[in-house]
Amino acid sequence: DAKTTQPNSMESNEEEPVHLPCNHSTISGTDYIHWYRQLPSQGPEYVIHGLTSNVNNRMASLAIAEDRKSSTLILHRATLRDAAVYYCALFDGSSNTGKLIFGQGTTLQVKP
Amino acid sequence: GAVVSQHPSRVICKSGTSVKIECRSLDFQATTMFWYRQFPKKSLMLMATSNEGSKATYEQGVEKDKFLINHASLTLSTLTVTSAHPEDSSFYICSASRGARGNTIYFGEGSWLTVV
Repeated sequence: DAKTTQPNSMESNEEEPVHLPCNHSTISGTDYIHWYRQLPSQGPEYVIHGLTSNVNNRMASLAIAEDRKSSTLILHRATLRDAAVYYCALFDGSSNTGKLIFGQGTTLQVKP
Repeated sequence: GAVVSQHPSRVICKSGTSVKIECRSLDFQATTMFWYRQFPKKSLMLMATSNEGSKATYEQGVEKDKFLINHASLTLSTLTVTSAHPEDSSFYICSASRGARGNTIYFGEGSWLTVV
């Protein structure tokens, strides 16, 4: 299974953009890149996912490197409610029954 | 709103008993469901992948006789922790996917199990 590596923690100021990096140098051509965030004692909340092209949705943007060995989750304007653990995960899409493997996560602290 | 629901959210059981956790997809048919375990301040650890109508695929090191997974319908998967012991106390989380490549995978709210 391909592995992801993330910084343990990051800090951001409120209303500033945040760039959360993820390395996945052993990613295979069929692995999808997923991002989730989690608050204490809650299940992970879906943020965004993609395969090769950059993706945008109402929550965030996902920038995928051309060689796909890294990606960056971009929160355009951090709010206090964005403080959470952010997980980068890879989904093996080689079949319809792949599995989603999580990295260790980045704890994002947002300062007012 | 939630598209994957788990029940119960918290359960306390006595050592040696069994406990069942349910995971339901609320508005879609989940051909694949995943069960994770999470210890405090740690990441999610995949336990098993279950496909509707077939046996679950367990990750290495996960005891299939202790953690029984059933995926009898396209909207329900259950995890039964058999003969529970205090070391089984953990946060258990399920997720569900429509199964096709590239689809969003949704997570339940999680279930706290405490074995006393």
